[in-house]
Amino acid sequence: QVQLVQSGVEVKKPGASVKVSCKASGYTFTTYDINWVRQATGQGLEWMGWINPNTGNTGYAQKFQGRVTMTRTNSLSTAFLELTSLKSEDTAVYYCARAVGADSSSFPYWGQGTLVTVSS
Amino acid sequence: QSALTQPASVSGSPGQSITISCTGTSSDVGYYNYVSWYQHHPGKAPKLIISEVSKRPSGVSNRFSGSKSGNTASLTISGLQAEDEADYHCSSYTGSTNLVVFGGGTKLTVL
Repeated sequence: QVQLVQSGVEVKKPGASVKVSCKASGYTFTTYDINWVRQATGQGLEWMGWINPNTGNTGYAQKFQGRVTMTRTNSLSTAFLELTSLKSEDTAVYYCARAVGADSSSFPYWGQGTLVTVSS
Repeated sequence: QSALTQPASVSGSPGQSITISCTGTSSDVGYYNYVSWYQHHPGKAPKLIISEVSKRPSGVSNRFSGSKSGNTASLTISGLQAEDEADYHCSSYTGSTNLVVFGGGTKLTVL
């Protein structure tokens, strides 16, 4: 069965960077894009971007361009999200998610989430 | 791309039906039939319950149904049950740089 397993809790200071991993199993990793979505406490879900594991091509939400980098290591079936210049407003649970089929914006598969806390 | 607009909260009694709206624009909800709905219990990952406006993934109860009219999509939950109490999020494909836009989420309380 498809599984996405994320790395653990992170606590960072303002201005620092964080890198979250998402290890996929149960399918051929290079077949489907990995998306990243976050949720700050009390807020809605927020789409951050996608990576095509086969080509390495990426697409980032305008809000995060310049601060976000999505990469992958195909030999480990793992995708990574790196966010730099962290601010307190970046405190959130970060999820990786995978689509299936023609609707690339619909995500039936999610990681368990990684809490990133940004605090001095 | 602004977030889609959802009511902050809705409530209903067991057995009743409720509807949650999700309003976008002619560039997202109104243009594409790629609206999804997610059920989200605290501390868990979101669960896809509706895709492509009205399609239910395998295993999702037929008490959940989706529809769309113009720039507004709707999720209806019939025969409310206690376990339906959760946050519900809508999303839409946009075809732009901001490929996916989500709503602000709606908290459903089962009275």
